[in-house]
Amino acid sequence: GAGVSQSPSNKVTEKGKDVELRCDPISGHTALYWYRQRLGQGLEFLIYFQGNSAPDKSGLPSDRFSAERTGESVSTLTIQRTQQEDSAVYLCASSHPPISGNTIYFGEGSWLTVV
Amino acid sequence: KNQVEQSPQSLIILEGKNCTLQCNYTVSPFSNLRWYKQDTGRGPVSLTIMTFSENTKSNGRYTATLDADTKQSSLHITASQLSDSASYICVVSAMDSSYKLIFGSGTRLLVRP
Repeated sequence: GAGVSQSPSNKVTEKGKDVELRCDPISGHTALYWYRQRLGQGLEFLIYFQGNSAPDKSGLPSDRFSAERTGESVSTLTIQRTQQEDSAVYLCASSHPPISGNTIYFGEGSWLTVV
Repeated sequence: KNQVEQSPQSLIILEGKNCTLQCNYTVSPFSNLRWYKQDTGRGPVSLTIMTFSENTKSNGRYTATLDADTKQSSLHITASQLSDSASYICVVSAMDSSYKLIFGSGTRLLVRP
């Protein structure tokens, strides 16, 4: 596709439910990233994929959070037993290998509200 | 600890005026510095990318500068337009983890007619 595509764009869920957020990166981009942005705050790193392996999962806040990627394509971020503090925008980005100078392109985000 | 700090937190200017946003970082070893524009409710959009050896880079009315010695960067916006109203975010990467972008909190710019 022309850009990074994320779905759903908005999700309201009840506390305790599981949610899945999907990211379609730009075709040909081997690197994929997930970030979280709470209201009025900066972006927090969650996880990085190079191909379908995740060399750095250090940003995942708890074991309720997991992510996987199929080949060099779609990624899914799963949040189990959602809590109100999980309410945020979840941003996916993709790029060619993240060496200096490569532009990292962001999607429009998935807005998650836990009630 | 790797950190990125931006100032001012928010700024209001009149249409047509220029402004300069500041970014200080403590990221080491430094790899590159990026400026992003984020409209409300949208994903960030890349404006400029600078590596260690670059002092300045322009993208239309946006000009970014980098002083790697003092670990400071600025983003200058010339002849502001109403559409420039957004958050401007300074983002730094370290050499040993170039995939892990370290984001500043951003400067919220409002351009008034």
